[in-house]
Amino acid sequence: GAGVSQTPSNKVTEKGKYVELRCDPISGHTALYWYRQSLGQGPEFLIYFQGTGAADDSGLPNDRFFAVRPEGSVSTLKIQRTERGDSAVYLCASSLDGSTDTQYFGPGTRLTVL
Amino acid sequence: QQQVKQSPQSLIVQKGGISIINCAYENTAFDYFPWYQQFPGKGPALLIAIRPDVSEKKEGRFTISFNKSAKQFSLHIMDSQPGDSATYFCAARGSGAGSYQLTFGKGTKLSVIP
Repeated sequence: GAGVSQTPSNKVTEKGKYVELRCDPISGHTALYWYRQSLGQGPEFLIYFQGTGAADDSGLPNDRFFAVRPEGSVSTLKIQRTERGDSAVYLCASSLDGSTDTQYFGPGTRLTVL
Repeated sequence: QQQVKQSPQSLIVQKGGISIINCAYENTAFDYFPWYQQFPGKGPALLIAIRPDVSEKKEGRFTISFNKSAKQFSLHIMDSQPGDSATYFCAARGSGAGSYQLTFGKGTKLSVIP
């Protein structure tokens, strides 16, 4: 595709439910990042994949958050037992590889936990 | 610990004026400093970036000034236009293992009035 795509664009869920957010990176990009952007804040790093493996998951806030990238392309961010504090825009970015500076961001998924 | 501090939080500039946004960083391991532009409902888009081996970089109406000793960098938008109205984020990234993620400032909401 032309850019990073994310689905769904909006997700409303109830407290305690499980959600999955999907990211399709730019074709050929081996590095993929997830960030979380709260209202009025800059994006905050969650996790970085190089290929299929999570090279750095130090930004995940707790063990309710998990992400996978089984084939080295599409990634899914999974949130268990959602809490109201999880409400934010979840951004995905990709770059050619981990050493490449430029990260291209998708439009994000706005998650609202009621 | 906020590693990248950005100011001002909001900025109103008349059309044709100069918009100036400032950032300061703490981590001396940072060696890549991009600025991102974000419109409502969209993901951040790379605007311009600089490495600390140069003190200034210009691309069209956008200029980054970098002061390594002061650990500060700024974005100047010349001849500001209403279409420049957006939120701008400075960011920083280190080098080497464990430094793949971008650390963002909190953002500056720029409004250019006709």
